[in-house]
This record gives sequence, C-alpha cells and structure tokens, in this order.
Amino acid sequence: EVQLVESGGVVVQPGGSLRLSCAASGFTFDDYAMHWVRQAPGKGLEWVSLISWDGGSTYYADSVKGRFTISRDNSKNSLYLQMNSLRAEDTALYYCAKDLAAAAPAGIDYWGQGTLVTVSS
Amino acid sequence: SYELTQPPSVSVSPGQTARITCSGDALPKKYAYWYQQKSGQAPVLVIYEDSKRPSGIPERFSGSSSGTMATLTISGAQVEDEADYYCYSTDSSGNHRGVFGGGTKLTVL
Repeated sequence: EVQLVESGGVVVQPGGSLRLSCAASGFTFDDYAMHWVRQAPGKGLEWVSLISWDGGSTYYADSVKGRFTISRDNSKNSLYLQMNSLRAEDTALYYCAKDLAAAAPAGIDYWGQGTLVTVSS
Repeated sequence: SYELTQPPSVSVSPGQTARITCSGDALPKKYAYWYQQKSGQAPVLVIYEDSKRPSGIPERFSGSSSGTMATLTISGAQVEDEADYYCYSTDSSGNHRGVFGGGTKLTVL
C-alpha cells in the first residue's frame, strides 16, 4: 500500500523559512517523479513543484520560483520542500504526491494527507 | 501562464448523468487527469490519461477528451459522489509545469 506522510508544517512569520518532509513507503521510491501541491483554506488545488526520479530535473510554479526548492533523498525514501521568504499567501495545506512516471510528468496517482503551513505574524 | 477552465458547479439528481468539463489550449497534446476531493479529505485519482479508470474506481466514472476540452462523466450519479472535482494537466511548452483547473462542486440531490 502506497503511503505518503508529510511533516514540518507550523506557524511561521512572514519572511521566514521552513522545510517540509514527506516519508514514502509501499512503492519503489526512486522509480517515480514526485510533486508538491498546495491548497489554501477554502480554495482549490495549486501545483507547486515537481522533481524527477533522480533529482536531476526540477520544475516550479511561477508563484514559488526562486523561493522554494524541491529535493529528494532516495536512500531515505524522502521528499523535501525548502520554503524561504514565506508570504501570507503561502498559507496552505501542502500535499506530497506521487507521479505515475519516472521523468517527464504524467499525472499524480497518490496523495498524502497534507501538512498545514500558516504564515502569520 | 497556462490555465484550465472548469464550471464552478454542477448539480444533478441521484441516478442522473453528471458531466464536468475542463478546457485548455494544450489538451489536444496533453492528457487530462481527474481528481475527486471530498470535504476534509485528500484528493483521489478517478480518471487518468483522458479516459482510463484506476482500479477500485466505480465504472460509472468515465472520461473523454476532444480538441481543447476534456470531460468527466458520472453515469447514474450517487449521493456519495458529491464532492469537488479537479482536472489536471501540463502545458505544452515543455516546461513540465502542472496546472489544476479551478474545481467543480458536484451536488447530487
């Protein structure tokens, strides 16, 4: 059974930094690309970032490019999102999600339950 | 930036057919994926690669795509199908950025 468990969400001040983690199990982690997707309270889904199976390719939404960095450690079956220069509009539930493919993104087939990031003074 | 457009809401009676559309300029070249999200829960994949149904998803869920529009069809909608539905795809510029539609609230009553 595929399991994705996010952690690291907290309340942080504007301008602050935060690192989210996602522990993956139930599948061969380094066979698949991985995503971060977020959902602001009461709003729709917003794609944030994608990393290829080997970490060699990364992609970002314009809204986070230059502030967020996606990474992975295949030896630990873990996905990360380093978030810098946080803004109020980054407040959201952040989901870790598994892609159907290894390199070029296909689509998301499994989701974690999310970790809540609140940016507020 | 690339956008996918969905109607904000669709309403049907139980047993009727619900159709949710998703329009985007890159859909003739890129697959559409559909996700169901019930209140307080994580999204669930219900259709992938335009029309394929994952194991465990009821047969009443089907998908199609023609030109710049993808459609999710729920034939004989049930009360338990009431949820938000999102389409997802990537743009055709080769930058591999994902994009979700704005979501459609399906009401079955």
